[in-house]
Amino acid sequence: AQSVTQLDSHVSVSEGTPVLLRCNYSSSYSPSLFWYVQHPNKGLQLLLKYTSAATLVKGINGFEAEFKKSETSFHLTKPSAHMSDAAEYFCVVSDLPGQNFVFGPGTRLSVLP
Amino acid sequence: NAGVTQTPKFQVLKTGQSMTLQCAQDMNHNSMYWYRQDPGMGLRLIYYSASEGTTDKGEVPNGYNVSRLNKREFSLRLESAAPSQTSVYFCASSVGYEQYFGPGTRLTVT
Repeated sequence: AQSVTQLDSHVSVSEGTPVLLRCNYSSSYSPSLFWYVQHPNKGLQLLLKYTSAATLVKGINGFEAEFKKSETSFHLTKPSAHMSDAAEYFCVVSDLPGQNFVFGPGTRLSVLP
Repeated sequence: NAGVTQTPKFQVLKTGQSMTLQCAQDMNHNSMYWYRQDPGMGLRLIYYSASEGTTDKGEVPNGYNVSRLNKREFSLRLESAAPSQTSVYFCASSVGYEQYFGPGTRLTVT
């Protein structure tokens, strides 16, 4: 069975400082991993995905994530936070395309001026 | 391309009433999904359809039924709504590993 743990329910950073959102997963197979962002009262947008190619994945809006199999982690980072990054972020794992996507509980990112 | 569309955007039901949430996609995707989103719990899969004519239960199927009407449309039905079904419902479609989400339906059951 798959599962996702997002270690922080809320992260607060100042504008211009680095962002780190943590994600650990459990999967019986070689999983694919994703980060989605949800702005208030909006749908979900794919930030980036890992599907067994390069372990360092670059996404939209300056975000990137590194797949570390030994640590079963897929943490999301950004060098410099912007006010527009304030949103809810979800880590997702899937081991079968087109079937079972399992979402983490989400991390709410606040960006302070 | 409209992507994934959902109707209605908002709905208020009384306990025991029924309703159908509609979802359509114009991207020719085989797989479609229904999720519910509750605070602090992320999105939980209700049902999914890997292809036209097939449906499978997800994590929280109780109290719901689905119909994959054709390749484009995947509807979610609440036969007898309960307050525990108050939530935001998202439909999604996918090609391979990438999912595309609709804007959501906010449902309140009183």
